[in-house]
Amino acid sequence: DIVMTQTPLSSPVTLGQPASISCRSSQSLVHSDGNTYLSWLQQRPGQPPRPLIYKISNRFSGVPDRFSGSGAGTDFTLKISRVEAEDVGVYYCMQATQIPYTFGQGTKLEIK
Amino acid sequence: DVQLVESGGNLVQPGGSLRLSCAASGFAFSTYWMSWVRQAPGKGLEWLANIKQSGSEKDYVDSVMGRFTISRDNAKNLVYLQMNSLRVEDTAVYYCARHRGYTYDYWGQGTPVAVSS
Repeated sequence: DIVMTQTPLSSPVTLGQPASISCRSSQSLVHSDGNTYLSWLQQRPGQPPRPLIYKISNRFSGVPDRFSGSGAGTDFTLKISRVEAEDVGVYYCMQATQIPYTFGQGTKLEIK
Repeated sequence: DVQLVESGGNLVQPGGSLRLSCAASGFAFSTYWMSWVRQAPGKGLEWLANIKQSGSEKDYVDSVMGRFTISRDNAKNLVYLQMNSLRVEDTAVYYCARHRGYTYDYWGQGTPVAVSS
């Protein structure tokens, strides 16, 4: 199974400042079809997961452009350019390149 | 609007069975893979199973293989998760999600399952 490792596990951030979350996979996430199926999800307290980004860097409809994804191979990053209060929650990376799909442990974003 | 509504969660004894349902609306259900994902209390997300549009292809995580069965009824826009031989460690909120292009673009609100004697 592909292991997804996120760092940090907790990230206190000042409102208006940037935040960055790293996700590393135990093997390359490049699929045989040439795509890299790495997604990011946000889970606000008491809510189901909300999809943010798919295939490394593509934002879902309605996701603010302050969220961006980057990376390749085994190393990926989610960046929030200016954190807002509504961004508080837990962020997960997920790989769907190989069965079983696997998630990172989650990174808790909180406001300082 | 796309909606996924799970139901069927309950308190069940170890060794017992439960069937979860997910009612889909607002999209062409029969054209999408569907999945179940769970989240144990205070823990992260765990993918459980996928089912192809026709139901002819299914994938499972090892921890539920042979105990859980995913199925669907395209006439009723429903996807199911039959859970047998339940264990305490199966206690979680169970989410159904729409699978699109190797990602999930819609999630339900979840249904809680508690396995305890």
